[in-house]
Amino acid sequence: SAVISQKPSRDICQRGTSLTIQCQVDSQVTMMFWYRQQPGQSLTLIATANQGSEATYESGFVIDKFPISRPNLTFSTLTVSNMSPEDSSIYLCSAATGVAETQYFGPGTRLLVL
Amino acid sequence: RKEVEQDPGPFNVPEGATVAFNCTYSNSASQSFFWYRQDCRKEPKLLMSVYSSGNEDGRFTAQLNRASQYISLLIRDSKLSDSATYLCVVSGTYKYIFGTGTRLKVLA
Repeated sequence: SAVISQKPSRDICQRGTSLTIQCQVDSQVTMMFWYRQQPGQSLTLIATANQGSEATYESGFVIDKFPISRPNLTFSTLTVSNMSPEDSSIYLCSAATGVAETQYFGPGTRLLVL
Repeated sequence: RKEVEQDPGPFNVPEGATVAFNCTYSNSASQSFFWYRQDCRKEPKLLMSVYSSGNEDGRFTAQLNRASQYISLLIRDSKLSDSATYLCVVSGTYKYIFGTGTRLKVLA
């Protein structure tokens, strides 16, 4: 299994600002993902973070709004840019050791945009 | 049709009851299947992987039916601590698809 930490755990931000969320895995993993979870809803995949190349974004999510970095096999960041209240959500990082392998989640970052 | 569908519930059951959840998936090429548990305001945690032969872990039994494209989770002798949302997850190539989750509340 993989142990994943995220920071910050929560933040309250003003609209128009940006927040960068960090995700650290305790071991090298092949795959890292970023999800968003609105209150009372299931997880929505934002993008797959690819090591050494651009992230793969899902429909409805774009790089300008959610730039992602993955400089190595244990670390990734997600930036929520030019925030609006609609971006208020929980952002979750996850990792898997391989395709179709078990996915492990970080504790999430609770974001409130005023 | 959603790629992964679950009955959102809630399922309210008394302690000690047996409860079963189903989850259907649309992509016949899906490779791996999982049940996750998510408590309120917490991240999802793996409950069990689901294998073609079925698997059991204590009070929990998971089954996969590839022909009908569904997976199931059976919880026997429900405990109050089983109250949570149960997420069905289906993995294809390079992507995991989550169901909306089924809420379970075990009542004293």
